[in-house]
Amino acid sequence: LAKTTQPISMDSYEGQEVNITCSHNNIATNDYITWYQQFPSQGPRFIIQGYKTKVTNEVASLFIPADRKSSTLSLPRVSLSDTAVYYCLVGDMGRSHTGFQKLVFGTGTRLLVSP
Amino acid sequence: DVKVTQSSRYLVKRTGEKVFLECVQDMDHENMFWYRQDPGLGLRLIYFSYDVKMKEKGDIPEGYSVSREKKERFSLILESASTNQTSMYLCATSQGGGYTFGSGTRLTVV
Repeated sequence: LAKTTQPISMDSYEGQEVNITCSHNNIATNDYITWYQQFPSQGPRFIIQGYKTKVTNEVASLFIPADRKSSTLSLPRVSLSDTAVYYCLVGDMGRSHTGFQKLVFGTGTRLLVSP
Repeated sequence: DVKVTQSSRYLVKRTGEKVFLECVQDMDHENMFWYRQDPGLGLRLIYFSYDVKMKEKGDIPEGYSVSREKKERFSLILESASTNQTSMYLCATSQGGGYTFGSGTRLTVV
């Protein structure tokens, strides 16, 4: 199983850049790395996905080193509304149904952004 | 955007009742999932389905069953609800990319 390890919690202030690192030492060749955001009483929401190097979208950046054993979600200039739980997910993300059994959400990282 | 709709946001049921949690998606995705989420345990996969009438057990299937008679609908069934099934239940869909989750059903079994 592609298990992930993230910090339990992080604190930041508005306007700062936040980097959340996820370890996934036994990532498989076909696995992608995906990050989700979850607010209280809501389902997780897709943020970003990558396979290697760097991926950037309008919300975040994802940095993946060459060995792919870890990844870092970068949130630029966070605001109070970025307070949420962030999950790192590793797996083939539905490209073959047998990959679903390997997906492990973990407990996520609780990010608290203060004024 | 894919929409995943769970029929109830909050449910309160009695021990021993049969409980149905319904999930409907509108984007013709083949794959659907049921997770439960508990404090300190994260999201745990109960069952998933990759086609109509097809189902596979996830990590914690005990005490649950599922039904997928139509592509757009995936039902989670608690045959005899117990207090340890009090939880947030999340439905999700996927088709070759990522998951889209519903808003969740918070079930309390008393």
